[in-house]
Amino acid sequence: DAGVIQSPRHEVTEMGQEVTLRCKPISGHNSLFWYRQTMMRGLELLIYFNNNVPIDDSGMPEDRFSAKMPNASFSTLKIQPSEPRDSAVYFCASRAGGVGTDTQYFGPGTRLTVL
Amino acid sequence: QQPVQSPQAVILREGEDAVINCSSSKALYSVHWYRQKHGEAPVFLMILLKGGEQKGHEKISASFNEKKQQSSLYLTASQLSYSGTYFCGTAGSGTYKYIFGTGTRLKVLA
Repeated sequence: DAGVIQSPRHEVTEMGQEVTLRCKPISGHNSLFWYRQTMMRGLELLIYFNNNVPIDDSGMPEDRFSAKMPNASFSTLKIQPSEPRDSAVYFCASRAGGVGTDTQYFGPGTRLTVL
Repeated sequence: QQPVQSPQAVILREGEDAVINCSSSKALYSVHWYRQKHGEAPVFLMILLKGGEQKGHEKISASFNEKKQQSSLYLTASQLSYSGTYFCGTAGSGTYKYIFGTGTRLKVLA
């Protein structure tokens, strides 16, 4: 199994530009999570999908952030317009089953730098 | 709501033991432990469930005290490869998501 795949691995952009991060979960996993990691705030959950449906987006910082999961094998996180404070490592993770039973696997992350 | 981990950082010599604690203000159903190396993704270590037994993996084990709403990770005879940041992820009953702790940076010196 290839594991969770994320692209790009690194992204450098200028303030105001649109940024799209991509994730391919592990095949057969029905839960997908987007996290943001910074030194100040640690690992924060942004949004959770179950069976391609957004269940909880309470962690999305503001309207500039949006996420989609058009099918079971692909998800995107978009930031428009981007700001320097969005600089962070964004992780995608997937899980097969419920909270108490299954491991949550993280992708390698996308390091975003907004200048 | 974020679980609190202690200590925040620890430095060990190879072969020494360490304990990392994770405390939650909410009732817990399960706890995950992860290790993250610099520049890499968190890697799963183990899961503990309410009412379950203490888990172990090689020389790393963990316990879960439901009444105290805390979990502890035990690293014995530490190796250089144990260096990294350790996170606990906690989940309450009936929830679907883990809330990650503040992290503990562990450095093992030769």
